[in-house]
Amino acid sequence: ETGVTQSPTHLIKTRGQQVTLRCSSQSGHNTVSWYQQALGQGPQFIFQYYREEENGRGNFPPRFSGLQFPNYSSELNVNALELDDSALYLCASSLGMGVSNEKLFFGSGTQLSVL
Amino acid sequence: SQKIEQNSEALNIQEGKTATLTCNYTNYSPAYLQWYRQDPGRGPVFLLLIRENEKEKRKERLKVTFDTTLKQSLFHITASQPADSATYLCALDSTGTASKLTFGTGTRLQVTL
Repeated sequence: ETGVTQSPTHLIKTRGQQVTLRCSSQSGHNTVSWYQQALGQGPQFIFQYYREEENGRGNFPPRFSGLQFPNYSSELNVNALELDDSALYLCASSLGMGVSNEKLFFGSGTQLSVL
Repeated sequence: SQKIEQNSEALNIQEGKTATLTCNYTNYSPAYLQWYRQDPGRGPVFLLLIRENEKEKRKERLKVTFDTTLKQSLFHITASQPADSATYLCALDSTGTASKLTFGTGTRLQVTL
């Protein structure tokens, strides 16, 4: 187990709704990244938070937003859901910026289905 | 544009044989290359990291090579076991801080008795 927990494990929403996904990082990790994984694809980088500030963003629209809290837990919010948002959303924590040989510790993900 | 290619077809091998998975990339200058294992319904699990100035890295039955001239990494599992059956993802990191990993689509490995 990686020590990274995500909730909920599964979620069904309808188009146009909003969703919030949650992540608890591994103890001692101050960096969290979110990835979207569509069926049969590799994870795609959404954004990263370091010490509560966004630090890098992938090619995702502004309706994807996030927060990182002082205890380093994190949220991913998606507004105006579209059918193509259906995917496995993965949270990954790491030790922190500037650390060489970084590796990511992933949670088991939240499977989001948009109908 | 940047591209990472892994064989999308599943690799089927017999128990005890060596599995070799390929990761090719274009228009990329990675500082590190990482390999992850992913089981169905689970998040990826880190296996190995190799730096751009390293040719080879080993960990138990795993071996990774990194050829920046060919723009290719090979991932080997020796003495394969059915428990090795999973999808294996390669990921490139151009910053050295894992601030943004770019993943390939993964190759599914099936090890049979």
